[in-house]
Amino acid sequence: EADIYQTPRYLVIGTGKKITLECSQTMGHDKMYWYQQDPGMELHLIHYSYGVNSTEKGDLSSESTVSRIRTEHFPLTLESARPSHTSQYLCASSERRYNEQFFGPGTRLTVL
Amino acid sequence: AQSVAQPEDQVNVAEGNPLTVKCTYSVSGNPYLFWYVQYPNRGLQFLLKYITGDNLVKGSYGFEAEFNKSQTSFHLKKPSALVSDSALYFCAVRPSYNNNDMRFGAGTRLTVKP
Repeated sequence: EADIYQTPRYLVIGTGKKITLECSQTMGHDKMYWYQQDPGMELHLIHYSYGVNSTEKGDLSSESTVSRIRTEHFPLTLESARPSHTSQYLCASSERRYNEQFFGPGTRLTVL
Repeated sequence: AQSVAQPEDQVNVAEGNPLTVKCTYSVSGNPYLFWYVQYPNRGLQFLLKYITGDNLVKGSYGFEAEFNKSQTSFHLKKPSALVSDSALYFCAVRPSYNNNDMRFGAGTRLTVKP
């Protein structure tokens, strides 16, 4: 298992609430990523970061925002959760070169 | 643009039989290719990768994959399947020059029956 952590693992929340999904890695990786995945389906990149103070949007339009103030930490925030945000969110990290991405266990979000 | 195709949504094999999970790709330039496995309620777990060199790559849990440049394929194989291999498998590709453009396939669900 890679040293990348996500909390919470499961979250059920009401519409309109602000939530932050946490992701931390202890490998010193420069690059970090957030993917959205419906159960058993393909992954969609929603945000990525080259390093501290660097964030970019991915292919899939998302109402979430991210920040990268520390190398090891890459939280994702939804200002106002909606039922359409119900999904699994996977965080990943990789080294600067061609190496594989290491994934966290995911956060399963349900918005009622 | 980069893309990955996993033509089979589902693969069923009997325990002890060989298994193949197919992957074809499209990428500009040289590809870096990866296979991941996902168990229920878990993140993706890295299995193996092709960067350069020998076309046959060996990975975790007895899996291997063969890079075929002419057919733009990177099929995942295992000589003898186990029930515990049942999971969702993802192929991924990115061009050698761009570390940020990783594309994942839609996934193939492998079921190994006893």
